[in-house]
Amino acid sequence: QLQLQESGSGLVKPSQTLSLTCIVSGGSISSGGYSWAWIRQPPGKGLEWIGSIYPSEKTYSTPSLKSRVTMSRDRSKNQISLNLTSVTAADTAVYYCALGSAFFAGPWGQGILVTVSS
Amino acid sequence: DIQMTQSPSSLSASVGDRVTITCQASQDISNYLNWYQQKPGKAPMLLIYDASNLHTGVSSRFTASGSGTDFSLTIGSLQPEDAATYYCQHYGNFRITFGQGTRLEIK
Repeated sequence: QLQLQESGSGLVKPSQTLSLTCIVSGGSISSGGYSWAWIRQPPGKGLEWIGSIYPSEKTYSTPSLKSRVTMSRDRSKNQISLNLTSVTAADTAVYYCALGSAFFAGPWGQGILVTVSS
Repeated sequence: DIQMTQSPSSLSASVGDRVTITCQASQDISNYLNWYQQKPGKAPMLLIYDASNLHTGVSSRFTASGSGTDFSLTIGSLQPEDAATYYCQHYGNFRITFGQGTRLEIK
């Protein structure tokens, strides 16, 4: 049974790069034709899709973040990565990774709170 | 870009009540609409996919319908554990859009 866990720095300074990884256990990210997504949720607010990476390695991002987002898959480490450049306080959120493309039936990671502050 | 608008933004109901949440798309999205339940501090949980299909293991008290631009999620006979925020979500053209959420309080 696949399990996901986000990891990375919980505190990032403004203008720096937010880097997160989604560590996948219980199965290989290379099998099953899996797609993966990053979704975030600012404190007390709603869900925002950041982007997705498909089995083809093609990535898609929400237009408002597209210029700052990079996603990748590391098959040797069995993990998915997210980089978000030039962060501001508006990027403070709980960041989730999730399995899926059209919908996210699970698993989801438990989420990691990233605070942007000097 | 397609916008998803949920209503109401919040509601309060009693145990045993039947409640309906609506989600409107800014353009025709066929049946590419999913519903999630999120409890505080937890990741969202899929309830309904493709507008009306109940996800495995989800209580049959949850039903949903709609196509095109207008969708609804109905919870029959509310239980205390239904207190949560509910989100609709659209997928199309390799983009995901969430509604702004509906917070459900149980009196």
